[in-house]
Amino acid sequence: GNSVTQMEGPVTLSEEAFLTINCTYTATGYPSLFWYVQYPGEGLQLLLKATKADDKGSNKGFEATYRKETTSFHLEKGSVQVSDSAVYFCALSDQTGANNLFFGTGTRLTVIP
Amino acid sequence: KAGVTQTPRYLIKTRGQQVTLSCSPISGHRSVSWYQQTPGQGLQFLFEYFSETQRNKGNFPGRFSGRQFSNSRSEMNVSTLELGDSALYLCASTLHRGNDEQFFGPGTRLTVL
Repeated sequence: GNSVTQMEGPVTLSEEAFLTINCTYTATGYPSLFWYVQYPGEGLQLLLKATKADDKGSNKGFEATYRKETTSFHLEKGSVQVSDSAVYFCALSDQTGANNLFFGTGTRLTVIP
Repeated sequence: KAGVTQTPRYLIKTRGQQVTLSCSPISGHRSVSWYQQTPGQGLQFLFEYFSETQRNKGNFPGRFSGRQFSNSRSEMNVSTLELGDSALYLCASTLHRGNDEQFFGPGTRLTVL
């Protein structure tokens, strides 16, 4: 079956620190992979995505590379800001054409000045 | 273009009651998916509607149901509410079925007393 395992939080970093949030997945076939972000009191926003092996998704300084050999999609940012404080979710969508996402448990990031 | 809207934003019910939540997708989007978010279980897929038909269903009891109207607006209904149904219910819309980006609404916070 499909599942996503995500690094447990919470994660607290100082401003300008380097961020890595680990994500590994189990899926049949060739899923698409996503990182979503949820700010307090809001719904989820797509941060970045990758649809095939070795693709790199990037947005707002965040990056993640689809690694099929290690079934991973780790999120990285070189220099975090206070405004990056949020909950980050790794997710996958299988190739059946259905619009259902399988989510990780989420990682809460707090960036302190 | 207006985003996904969900009404109401907050709801308090008592055990045994039923509840109906509404979701209006982005104009032109035809697929609507529903998710339940709880601290214990995380984000779980409920069901997906496309062209007024349920296309996919998650692992939830029959008390959870939904429908979609010809204008793509969707409702979900939960009957005989239980304490464990307290959650944030998120709706997401997509232009069409497949691995496209899902746009999430702000959610409806349901509290069952």
